[in-house]
Amino acid sequence: GENVEQHPSTLSVQEGDSAVIKCTYSDSASNYFPWYKQELGKRPQLIIDIRSNVGEKKDQRIAVTLNKTAKHFSLHITETQPEDSAVYFCAASGGGTYKYIFGTGTRLKVLA
Amino acid sequence: EAEVAQSPRYKITEKSQAVAFWCDPISGHATLYWYRQILGQGPELLVQFQDESVVDDSQLPKDRFSAERLKGVDSTLKIQPAELGDSAMYLCASSLEGWRNREYEQYFGPGTRLTVT
Repeated sequence: GENVEQHPSTLSVQEGDSAVIKCTYSDSASNYFPWYKQELGKRPQLIIDIRSNVGEKKDQRIAVTLNKTAKHFSLHITETQPEDSAVYFCAASGGGTYKYIFGTGTRLKVLA
Repeated sequence: EAEVAQSPRYKITEKSQAVAFWCDPISGHATLYWYRQILGQGPELLVQFQDESVVDDSQLPKDRFSAERLKGVDSTLKIQPAELGDSAMYLCASSLEGWRNREYEQYFGPGTRLTVT
């Protein structure tokens, strides 16, 4: 069935360093790839997304890259800050039902 | 900014009891989703509604779970009887339909944390 793998499960970086989270999806029909940030006890919130007709998208310190051939997409956070500490989920969606398949999440810790 | 509302926020119940969760999506959002999120894992879709119709309930344990969205607006998810393994966060999300711009975005509610004892 449809599957999204996400790595790493935990990531610790020093404040100011970059963080990269990678996801791989199985369904070649997937064409929309959102990233959600979930702080402890709070709802997941969309931070960036990318559609299959684009290879890269950037929003200030956050960027996402997509390789449709390899079925990989990645989240890049530059100049990390303590408030970036949270769990990040990738997801893949496509077809007619807009169904999201989520990855297992990455717990990012930014050390001051 | 409009948000998805859920209640209750926390629920503790004994196994074999019935429990119900309520979700009110963002006004005008035709699509509503119920997810289960086990601690340390990503959200897993239980059921998806388009207006009042079920689009996908392939992962819903239908022997004990039921969901309805009678008027195509708010929705209720019920578990009867609850089991220990049902302890999780139950998230509701909604989205507009269509392929334009950000209509794909799913907006999540704060969730209901269920503990079954």
